[in-house]
Amino acid sequence: ETGVTQSPTHLIKTRGQQVTLRCSSQSGHNTVSWYQQALGQGPQFIFQYYREEENGRGNFPPRFSGLQFPNYSSELNVNALELDDSALYLCASSPPGLPPASREQFFGPGTRLTVL
Amino acid sequence: SQQGEEDPQALSIQEGENATMNCSYKTSINNLQWYRQNSGRGLVHLILIRSNEREKHSGRLRVTLDTSKKSSSLLITASRAADTASYFCATDPGGSEKLVFGKGTKLTVNP
Repeated sequence: ETGVTQSPTHLIKTRGQQVTLRCSSQSGHNTVSWYQQALGQGPQFIFQYYREEENGRGNFPPRFSGLQFPNYSSELNVNALELDDSALYLCASSPPGLPPASREQFFGPGTRLTVL
Repeated sequence: SQQGEEDPQALSIQEGENATMNCSYKTSINNLQWYRQNSGRGLVHLILIRSNEREKHSGRLRVTLDTSKKSSSLLITASRAADTASYFCATDPGGSEKLVFGKGTKLTVNP
């Protein structure tokens, strides 16, 4: 069983540019969540996708957007990059069929984004 | 905002010793999960404890949950150098599956 994968591993962009990060969920997992982890901090929830629809959003501006595809893979897009967007971006997936109280989230290795 | 707060922020022990980390949170939860992170890489899921459970074991890990005090603890017994990592607790307020993490405890196990 393949775990959650993310690409690219590292990315360097300049302020004002746009970036797309990709995530393939663990096989059979239909819920994908994205998190931002700044250096020295815990991850912060950006948004979640379930069956291709956004299913909740954290305190992030609209220039953070996402997609989920029929195969449950997902993209995170960030427009008009700012220096503070430099962080590790983590994708997590969770399986169907379990009650929410028992549903674990499995994380990918992350994409480290540096904005210069 | 970060609901969970881990304590201590940093912990340094010798191999073979036990390590205890604590987590406090603010709102009602469906479950609490503990994760490990090595050197700013991805999070590894360690254990999930449901709100109606008080204690859970997995190998050398023991997790307790006290919902009346809104706190949890993670005990790693007989620690190894490979346990060196940051440990995070995460809660899902209201069962939303939108995890809220603390800032983590950085554990160093010296050989």
